[in-house]
Amino acid sequence: GQNIDQPTEMTATEGAIVQINCTYQTSGFNGLFWYQQHAGEAPTFLSYNVLDGLEEKGRFSSFLSRSKGYSYLLLKELQMKDSASYLCAPKAAGNKLTFGGGTRVLVKP
Amino acid sequence: DAGITQSPRHKVTETGTPVTLRCHQTENHRYMYWYRQDPGHGLRLIHYSYGVKDTDKGEVSDGYSVSRSKTEDFLLTLESATSSQTSVYFCAISEGETGGITDTQYFGPGTRLTVL
Repeated sequence: GQNIDQPTEMTATEGAIVQINCTYQTSGFNGLFWYQQHAGEAPTFLSYNVLDGLEEKGRFSSFLSRSKGYSYLLLKELQMKDSASYLCAPKAAGNKLTFGGGTRVLVKP
Repeated sequence: DAGITQSPRHKVTETGTPVTLRCHQTENHRYMYWYRQDPGHGLRLIHYSYGVKDTDKGEVSDGYSVSRSKTEDFLLTLESATSSQTSVYFCAISEGETGGITDTQYFGPGTRLTVL
């Protein structure tokens, strides 16, 4: 079965750092994706973790702990354009993704 | 960005009518997916395809059928539309299933469907 938990909403100030946590229970787990989705638009790929540890990509980093069923997305030097929903999506066999409900991040000036 | 288009982009239809949504890709990717997105539910997989004429059900497949006769096209059909199928429908594609970055799914722009 699949069970994904991430906060519904977070608010942060421009220039700050925000960490979005995601816990999951996924049968046949073999990787985890993070997507960004602006209101009214399609999800866009941010990061992929398959091994434990931190993957850094510019202002965005993603961490995975397979043994704990835990991941986080770290957004640094927040900009107004980072206001969006962030979707945690563990992957199972057959390349199937299960999406969490998403975390809506609101960046304030 | 991956070359994925969806048509139509918006549609309003009546309960009981059949509706077909089209997803077209120019990337020659093997895998194609149909999702629906509703408030409070996130993205849910309807059907997916792992090759021409090879399809399988997702978690919310009841009331939907799919066909893939060519690599580039994946059709989603609502056999008899109901108001509960009012949603935003996203198509996605991925290159393969290797356990690596090529498993990344790329999404089309979406189709907003309203069933009255």
